[in-house]
Parts: sequence; C-alpha cells; structure tokens
Amino acid sequence: GAGVSQSPSNKVTEKGKDVELRCDPISGHTALYWYRQRLGQGLEFLIYFQGNSAPDKSGLPSDRFSAERTGESVSTLTIQRTQQEDSAVYLCASSWGIGYTEAFFGQGTRLTVV
Amino acid sequence: DAKTTQPPSMDCAEGRAANLPCNHSTISGNEYVYWYRQIHSQGPQYIIHGLKNNETNEMASLIITEDRKSSTLILPHATLRDTAVYYCIVRATLTNAGGTSYGKLTFGQGTILTVHP
Repeated sequence: GAGVSQSPSNKVTEKGKDVELRCDPISGHTALYWYRQRLGQGLEFLIYFQGNSAPDKSGLPSDRFSAERTGESVSTLTIQRTQQEDSAVYLCASSWGIGYTEAFFGQGTRLTVV
Repeated sequence: DAKTTQPPSMDCAEGRAANLPCNHSTISGNEYVYWYRQIHSQGPQYIIHGLKNNETNEMASLIITEDRKSSTLILPHATLRDTAVYYCIVRATLTNAGGTSYGKLTFGQGTILTVHP
C-alpha cells in the first residue's frame, strides 16, 4: 500500500480480555515503531524494530505488552488482560532505516477498555 | 537520547511567520534535530531535520545555533491548517561499515501552535 496501515481503526474490549493490534508498514521499510498516545497526552514510545537487530523493548509498560515482527513485514502488538488505563490510541510508524530518516505514521488504532 | 524543552503553546496570526523554539542543551555530536507535527486526530508527520547547518524544504526552515544547543522551526507563512502540536526531537545516529542507522524517535510534550485568522 501507499502508507502505513493499521487495523482495526477502533477497538472496544472488556477489561481482562486480550487484544491484538496490527501494523502493515510501507513495503521495504526495515524500521518499525509502536507508540501509545493517551487522550490529550504526547506520544509514549513502546517498542522499536530495526531490521534483524534485537528490538528495543525499553518502552513497554508491563509484561502484559508484547510485540512481534516477522522479517520486514507485518507487526502485531498484543496486550494481555487489558486494563482501563490501556485505553489510548496506538500508533505505528515505519521508515527505511539504513540511510533514510523520515518515519511515516499510520492513523492509529483507538483502543477503549470498558 | 538528549531531552528537549519546548514552550507548551504559541499563537500566530495567519499569514505571519511562526517561529517555534526548542532547547536541546545536552545534544551529542552524533544526534540530529528532528521536527514532527501532529494535527488533531492524525498520526505525526515529518517536517524537517538537520545536524548543524540550517535546512529548508517546502514545509519549513530549521535554524540551528552554532553551539547546537537550540534550534528554531520557522513556518514562513502560517495558515489555519498549520494548527497542530509541534514536536522537537533529538535522535541518535550510528554509522558503521553497513551504513547509517537511526535511533528511536522519542517524543516530548511538544508545542501546541494555534494559527488564528
């Protein structure tokens, strides 16, 4: 596709359930980021994948959060046993990585935990 | 990554230049200055970046002080559509035999720019 695609665009889930958020990066982009943005707040870094290097997971807030990426393709962010404080917009971005600098963001997934 | 300091909000009249300051006094030699903006309900959008020289593109100009401890993003003729949160980010780079790779983007709170008629 022409841009970073995230699905679903909106997700309402019950407290305690697990959710999976998907990110399709721009084809060929080696770097992929996940961010969380709570209402009225700035972007909070979660995790960063760069090519075949070990991902930077330093931003994951708890062990309920995990993310996977196979090669340079789709990434999935999983939140287990969701809590109300997990409600936020989850943004994904990708970039070429080596030699390129601009990161392109998707429109995000709005997660609401009720 | 070095931290940045930005004013929480600024106003600008439509058609005038918007000058958004950013302090990054602990920036290292291998760190670039990036600017992104986020229009309401959208994902962030890249604007411009630079190392030590001033940069200009179709969106904006970036002025970096000689000591690299601060920078200013200039929107030369602000429009109502430029109303957004503007983020100044310092980003590490690593250059080796395989090329140049870039560290993660760490966003601060940004500056809410409001352009009014």
